Amino acid sequence: GGIITQTPKFLIGQEGQKLTLKCQQNFNHDTMYWYRQDSGKGLRLIYYSITENDLQKGDLSEGYDASREKKSSFSLTVTSAQKNEMAVFLCASSYRGQDTQYFGPGTRLLVL
Amino acid sequence: AQSVTQPDARVTVSEGASLQLRCKYSYSGTPYLFWYVQYPRQGLQLLLKYYSGDPVVQGVNGFEAEFSKSNSSFHLRKASVHWSDSAVYFCALSAFNYAQGLTFGLGTRVSVFP
Repeated sequence: GGIITQTPKFLIGQEGQKLTLKCQQNFNHDTMYWYRQDSGKGLRLIYYSITENDLQKGDLSEGYDASREKKSSFSLTVTSAQKNEMAVFLCASSYRGQDTQYFGPGTRLLVL
Repeated sequence: AQSVTQPDARVTVSEGASLQLRCKYSYSGTPYLFWYVQYPRQGLQLLLKYYSGDPVVQGVNGFEAEFSKSNSSFHLRKASVHWSDSAVYFCALSAFNYAQGLTFGLGTRVSVFP
């Protein structure tokens, strides 16, 4: 088994601030994902990374940067927090060549 | 492009009753289909998945789902629900290149009353 850890659990920022969310997994998975979950809107893919140092944009990448320096970690940066950036950000991972994604508990973002 | 529709935003059932959650998908190729459950303040957990073969797939905690290519559906069922089944259920689809991530429906919030 394994676990996905997301830090912080809660993130409060100011409008215009750059904010970074971190994700660690010990499954030894190749592929990692960042999703955003808004109330009533399901989950939408922001970025994903097939392997270390790879980055691919999802449907919702504008306003975000991502970084995958190590196989086990995947960071997401909100480049300029906006008032409507109040959501839960979920990190997931999977083996390359398989499709089951395992999810972390999420980071809740609140912008004041 | 692919999409997933869960037509019921909320479902309320009594404990011990049966449950069916609907999921319709749109995808031109062969889909990989999933049901995930999200308990309060937690991440998503996989209930079951379908790739091919027997259209009825069994999952955890007594859940099963039935794939229908003709109806483009993947409905989730449970014969007898427990109060602990109260959660949000998401149907999701993966295109052939599964590394591109999952396409999710909006979710169905299930409330089980004693």
